[in-house]
Amino acid sequence: EDQVTQSPEALRLQEGESSSLNCSYTVSGLRGLFWYRQDPGKGPEFLFTLYSAGEEKEKERLKATLTKKESFLHITAPKPEDSATYLCAGETSGSRLTFGEGTQLTVNP
Amino acid sequence: NAGVTQTPKFQVLKTGQSMTLQCAQDMNHNSMYWYRQDPGMGLRLIYYSASEGTTDKGEVPNGYNVSRLNKREFSLRLESAAPSQTSVYFCASSSGTANTGELFFGEGSRLTVL
Repeated sequence: EDQVTQSPEALRLQEGESSSLNCSYTVSGLRGLFWYRQDPGKGPEFLFTLYSAGEEKEKERLKATLTKKESFLHITAPKPEDSATYLCAGETSGSRLTFGEGTQLTVNP
Repeated sequence: NAGVTQTPKFQVLKTGQSMTLQCAQDMNHNSMYWYRQDPGMGLRLIYYSASEGTTDKGEVPNGYNVSRLNKREFSLRLESAAPSQTSVYFCASSSGTANTGELFFGEGSRLTVL
């Protein structure tokens, strides 16, 4: 069964304190790994797509990386406006997305 | 730019009542989706439509029906609501064919079934 697991469930950081979120997957025939950001009361917003091990994508303070078993979302010098829930999802060869439960990030000023 | 618009944003139903959630996108996307989001469960696909005139079941289709009215609109109907259908429902669209990963989501419809 395809499974995507995110850790930690929740993370509190001080402004400027860098850290990483983890997304591990057991997905048969992974075609892509996707990261989304979700603000309270809103729908998820697409951030990144990663297709192969070793690939990296960056956007402002966020960098996503992919290995054969997991993906990391690195947050460098976060600001309070980075507070959100971050979701990852794996796309299988059957063109289905399996979402993780998300990591709720809080960045305190 | 509206993107993906869902109505209503909030709804309270009694068990056994029916209702339809509406979704429209203005990005000329081919594919549209309905997800539900529950605490501890993540987003789960209910139904999707790869193109106008086609619909397919997702992971949790029981108790729901869908209609792809045209390229812009994709509705989700609950014929006889049950408390287990209390959830936040998200409509999404994408430019590619069925179920690619870069999705554009609406803001959600929060449904409570008493």
